[in-house]
Amino acid sequence: QQQVKQSPQSLIVQKGGISIINCAYENTAFDYFPWYQQFPGKGPALLIAIRPDVSEKKEGRFTISFNKSAKQFSLHIMDSQPGDSATYFCAASKNAGKSTFGDGTTLTVKP
Amino acid sequence: DGGITQSPKYLFRKEGQNVTLSCEQNLNHDAMYWYRQDPGQGLRLIYYSQIVNDFQKGDIAEGYSVSREKKESFPLTVTSAQKNPTAFYLCASSLGTDSSGEQYFGPGTRLTVT
Repeated sequence: QQQVKQSPQSLIVQKGGISIINCAYENTAFDYFPWYQQFPGKGPALLIAIRPDVSEKKEGRFTISFNKSAKQFSLHIMDSQPGDSATYFCAASKNAGKSTFGDGTTLTVKP
Repeated sequence: DGGITQSPKYLFRKEGQNVTLSCEQNLNHDAMYWYRQDPGQGLRLIYYSQIVNDFQKGDIAEGYSVSREKKESFPLTVTSAQKNPTAFYLCASSLGTDSSGEQYFGPGTRLTVT
């Protein structure tokens, strides 16, 4: 049973556009929702994360929007750049325990 | 530099052989994890350990074994019982409970079994 569902599987955006990736979770006990960025052949790295007590968190061009009642959260990448082309994973965990990951979204930003 | 190291980066083995993947961290993290990544399937948890000398099975533990004799080391053995071992293997660590939950990943080991 997949507890974190991520969409879309792939996304193509023009340079300067907005990239939006969505995730939905089932377990209301989750209390930490990170997004990881992974470049080909590398390990993932934390991009930005949010806790359920806030509805939005922004770091530079990256924003997480969190909807607790809908059990959904999303990553918005403003002014998308070719260097943002990577695979993005959402995840969820509780009590800093093991994480459950979405299946990933491959983002391609066309110049 | 603090971080997680995995060796080797590429590993080739013949079918029927056991192989051990190395994972070392100098972040003083309590928790360590092993994931398998196949194309289009995201990260699947194999085993995890929240403290030395203790570990738990993840979602796909069959055909794998681990040990956690030292805080900084969490080797993964891919046994001959694993039906489809060719994959990209990622090790990660985190501070553990009472922390943010952020996981730090190593660079991965790509295992090819023929």
